[in-house]
Amino acid sequence: EIVLTQSPGTLSLSPGERATLSCRASQSVSSSYLAWYQQKPGQAPRLLIYVASSRATGIPDRFSGSGSGTDFTLTISRLEPEDFAVYYCQQYGTSPWTFGQGTKVEIK
Amino acid sequence: EVQLVESGGGLVQPGGSLRLSCVVSGFTVSSECMSWVRQAPGKGLEWVSVIYRGGDTYYADSVKGRFTISRHSSTLFLQMTSLRTEDTAIYYCARVYADGWYVEYWGQGALVTVSS
Repeated sequence: EIVLTQSPGTLSLSPGERATLSCRASQSVSSSYLAWYQQKPGQAPRLLIYVASSRATGIPDRFSGSGSGTDFTLTISRLEPEDFAVYYCQQYGTSPWTFGQGTKVEIK
Repeated sequence: EVQLVESGGGLVQPGGSLRLSCVVSGFTVSSECMSWVRQAPGKGLEWVSVIYRGGDTYYADSVKGRFTISRHSSTLFLQMTSLRTEDTAIYYCARVYADGWYVEYWGQGALVTVSS
C-alpha cells in the first residue's frame, strides 16, 4: 500500500498570501495519478486537482498542482477567505487507493 | 444534474447491523464505478469499499468479511454487520471517475455511531 504523507499538518496564513502544501508518497505514483480535495467543516470533500496538475471543472486558477514520482505540491497563489479548509491528496495509480492525512490551512 | 443522497445512518450497538443506501440521480449506479468512503470524527478519509462497473468489488482490510457493497438501478447499498466502535464515522457515497480514479461526485454523508 502506498502511504501518502502530507506536510505541514497545519499552515497558518493570512488572506492574500501564498500557500504551498506537500504530499509525499512512500513509492512512486503511477502515471502521476494523484488528486487533491478540499474539505470545509460539515461538508463533503470537493475535487480540486486530478492527474497531479489538471484543475477540475469550476476550480479557480489560483489553485495549481505539480509534481511527479513521489513528490507532489498543491499551491494556492493568493488565499481567499473561502480557501481556509483542510486539503487531502489521494493516489489512484496503485490499488488500494489511499489518502493522505490532510493539511489544515487556517487563518493567521 | 448529478446528485447522491445517503440515508440509513444512526446509532447502533456494537455487534449490530445497519444498511446504508445512496440514491443517485443523473446517472445509473450500474454504469459507473461507485464507492463508500468514511471519515471518523476529527480524522481523515478512508476508502471502505468499491464496486466497479463490471461488478467486481474491493473492501478495505478493516471491513472485509463484515461489510457488503451492492447496487440496484439508482441505488448503492452498504450492508454493515458485526459493527465495532471503530466503525463510527460519516460514510460518504461517491462516484469514481472512469473505473478507479478520483472521486468526482460526493454525497452529503450519513453518520453511523456504534456505541453501547
